[in-house]
Order: sequence, then C-alpha cells, then structure tokens
Amino acid sequence: DTAVSQTPKYLVTQMGNDKSIKCEQNLGHDTMYWYKQDSKKFLKIMFSYNNKELIINETVPNRFSPKSPDKAHLNLHINSLELGDSAVYFCASSQDRSSPLHFGNGTRLTVT
Amino acid sequence: GENVEQHPSTLSVQEGDSAVIKCTYSDSASNYFPWYKQELGKGPQLIIDIRSNVGEKKDQRIAVTLNKTAKHFSLHITETQPEDSAVYFCAAMSQGGSEKLVFGKGTKLTVNP
Repeated sequence: DTAVSQTPKYLVTQMGNDKSIKCEQNLGHDTMYWYKQDSKKFLKIMFSYNNKELIINETVPNRFSPKSPDKAHLNLHINSLELGDSAVYFCASSQDRSSPLHFGNGTRLTVT
Repeated sequence: GENVEQHPSTLSVQEGDSAVIKCTYSDSASNYFPWYKQELGKGPQLIIDIRSNVGEKKDQRIAVTLNKTAKHFSLHITETQPEDSAVYFCAAMSQGGSEKLVFGKGTKLTVNP
C-alpha cells in the first residue's frame, strides 16, 4: 500500500547511457514532482506536473525529460548520462499545487 | 525567487534535551512552511507545517513558530529521543505564479542516549 513508489531504488550505469526512473502514486493526487538531492543533501526541484501538464521546469538540462502518461505516473528519462548526474532522485506528489508533498524513497543514481 | 536559509547544519543533543532549528526566508509572499524529517535511505516525511495566518502550531513533542515580520520560522523538539536522529529540512512555498516548495539545506540532528 505504498503511497509514492519509484523504481528502481538503485541504478548504476556508465557515462553516455540513457536511463529511466519510474514513479507511481496511489493517493489520487493531482500534482507530481521530481526533486534531485545532491551529495550534500540539498533538495532541489526539477519538474512539476499538474494533471499531466508541466507547470514547473527548473533550469534542468534538456537531457532530462519527464513524461506523465496519466495523473498517477510521472517518469523521468535521462539521456547521455554524465558523472554530475549522480544523485538521489525523489518523486513526490501532492493533492494540489499548494498542499503538502508526499515523497517516495528515492532512486540512487550512480554514473561511472 | 525564494531563498531559504537553515541553521545549524548539524546539531547534537543529549536524550531528553530540547532541539531548535531555525530558518529564514526571503519572499514575503510565501505563506506555507512545512518541516520534513529524512531518515537514512528514505524520502523526506512531513512532520509538521504552518501557514502564515498562525504564529505557532504544536503536535505532541514538536512545535513550529513563525514570525512573518522577521521572515523566520523555527522547529522545536522537546524531550528528544534517539529515534529523533535524522536530517530535518525546512521549506517555504514560493507564490510566484507556479507554487514551488523551496527547501533549506538541512540540519543533521543527533540525539545521544
């Protein structure tokens, strides 16, 4: 009965590869997010979708492309992975754009 | 845009003592201030939040205070226990057209038994 689930939990890959992280929420929320947490634990928003529509796109390289097939899913695809992409990526959801966020348990991405 | 400063970055207390973490924000239009607790290997979890129409909110051993004039808010944990050890994040909701939650850089709290 996990509220926000993301897969995989760990992802190790080489530079230049393309990878995807999947996220699903079963809370019936309208808004979903991707956050990046760096090695110093700093949490920074990357994208936000509301009812499948992109509403926030921070200054993220266009190698990162979110896709929301429906309200319950927000996947993150990353092309041409670089060493600096290594981080923990968190998916989150909220009832609406001004409600508390519920986070998944993160995907630790390591690029070698 | 919104900027949130959080202090201290690390805090060590003895079990039973109180712990206080402080944050300041820059955008006077922000009106929502949550606190999250992140345990090792897990995602941040909301522990308490406050909106700008109140000055204080309490939930058992946890309380949050907000001073809108000074643009700062604080988390107070009383009677700390070892299981309170975690990284705590404050955040502020930026109201710039697309509501966005901006986080502080976190405080690693260690409660020593």
